[in-house]
Amino acid sequence: QKEVEQDPGPLSVPEGAIVSLNCTYSNSAFQYFMWYRQYSRKGPELLMYTYSSGNKEDGRFTAQVDKSSKYISLFIRDSQPSDSATYLCAMKGANNNDMRFGAGTRLTVKP
Amino acid sequence: EAGVAQSPRYKIIEKRQSVAFWCNPISGHATLYWYQQILGQGPKLLIQFQNNGVVDDSQLPKDRFSAERLKGVDSTLKIQPAKLEDSAVYLCASSLAPMGPYNEQFFGPGTRLTVL
Repeated sequence: QKEVEQDPGPLSVPEGAIVSLNCTYSNSAFQYFMWYRQYSRKGPELLMYTYSSGNKEDGRFTAQVDKSSKYISLFIRDSQPSDSATYLCAMKGANNNDMRFGAGTRLTVKP
Repeated sequence: EAGVAQSPRYKIIEKRQSVAFWCNPISGHATLYWYQQILGQGPKLLIQFQNNGVVDDSQLPKDRFSAERLKGVDSTLKIQPAKLEDSAVYLCASSLAPMGPYNEQFFGPGTRLTVL
């Protein structure tokens, strides 16, 4: 079993749709949970990070962490064509900076 | 603020050849990371530097990969000799400090390596 599992997609939605991206993990030591966005031929860029369980909202993006289920989600409201990218979940423990990434979900938002 | 710079952006070599990648982190960032991202997978950490010292190289294939950060700023990652399975994007990232609360890692655009 991989430490971090992420549905690779691809996912295609119409503009304005609500998008849900999900990851599961097996290592209970993970405490920081991140979502990165990666455009084609670019490096990943941090979208959001959360510490421990709960929700965090930033504009159209909401990150959700459920440590009891070892499950994290990213919701995108009112999706735009500019949101078309690969979304990577990542997580790390408290005492190191060795992030473990999911495989990424490729999202296409159609105008 | 300038981002993480990497060169070259693309490299094509034949198997058993050598190749080197260069990274210049964001000014003032003490921690530097090299990741390998194989097509369809997430980035995998190869090596982490704190200033010019190695913090973690547990996933670096040391029989063929080497990396250095001699003056605590720029870094070079080398592969010698390359294998077909080394075809990937090599990402460099930097952060202010490695430990304690989360410190954001900033990624460069990567070097896309194709081994024929």
